Amino acid sequence: EPEVTQTPSHQVTQMGQEVILRCVPISNHLYFYWYRQILGQKVEFLVSFYNNEISEKSEIFDDQFSVERPDGSNFTLKIRSTKLEDSAMYFCASSARRAGETQYFGPGTRLLVL
Amino acid sequence: AQSVSQHNHHVILSEAASLELGCNYSYGGTVNLFWYVQYPGQHLQLLLKYFSGDPLVKGIKGFEAEFIKSKFSFNLRKPSVQWSDTAEYFCAVTSPGAGSYQLTFGKGTKLSVIP
Repeated sequence: EPEVTQTPSHQVTQMGQEVILRCVPISNHLYFYWYRQILGQKVEFLVSFYNNEISEKSEIFDDQFSVERPDGSNFTLKIRSTKLEDSAMYFCASSARRAGETQYFGPGTRLLVL
Repeated sequence: AQSVSQHNHHVILSEAASLELGCNYSYGGTVNLFWYVQYPGQHLQLLLKYFSGDPLVKGIKGFEAEFIKSKFSFNLRKPSVQWSDTAEYFCAVTSPGAGSYQLTFGKGTKLSVIP
């Protein structure tokens, strides 16, 4: 069964450093998403992406964040200058169609900012 | 903005007991409803979903959920739990009626099943 994959599984970085989290969505899916879960809190939506454009974004997704689909398979989340409060589990998801379709999640990247 | 409430933080049951996990959402328009499960060390997996039609939906592993529009609820049930159901369960909602397809999650309910 096709799966969403994410790399790395864990990343430790210093405050102020840039990080790039990578995702490979399911191959025939067209809609891509990033969510995050700070320890002990809810899973929160960050951004959705379709046809090389951001479709929706939350208040969390400020100018420090960006997303890109650099080639036909990868989908990346970049945090330009990490803060302590960016420490969280970041989940990538993809869906075939947005309207009413299930979002399939990757295993997550645990980001720790020191 | 959409919000989702899950009433139970941690539920502990013995094997063969019946399970019901509560979920309420706030948006009164058209919604799509989901239950996801996260087994220890694994990623979020879809248990079941409701888009339209029969408000009683059946999912994998014997789980079912009932959509009650008047109560803004989508409770998850299983008549007899097994030790392998130990996991965290998340209710989530999208609001296509508001033009939004982002998943809004509840806080999750941790289920521990004692053999």
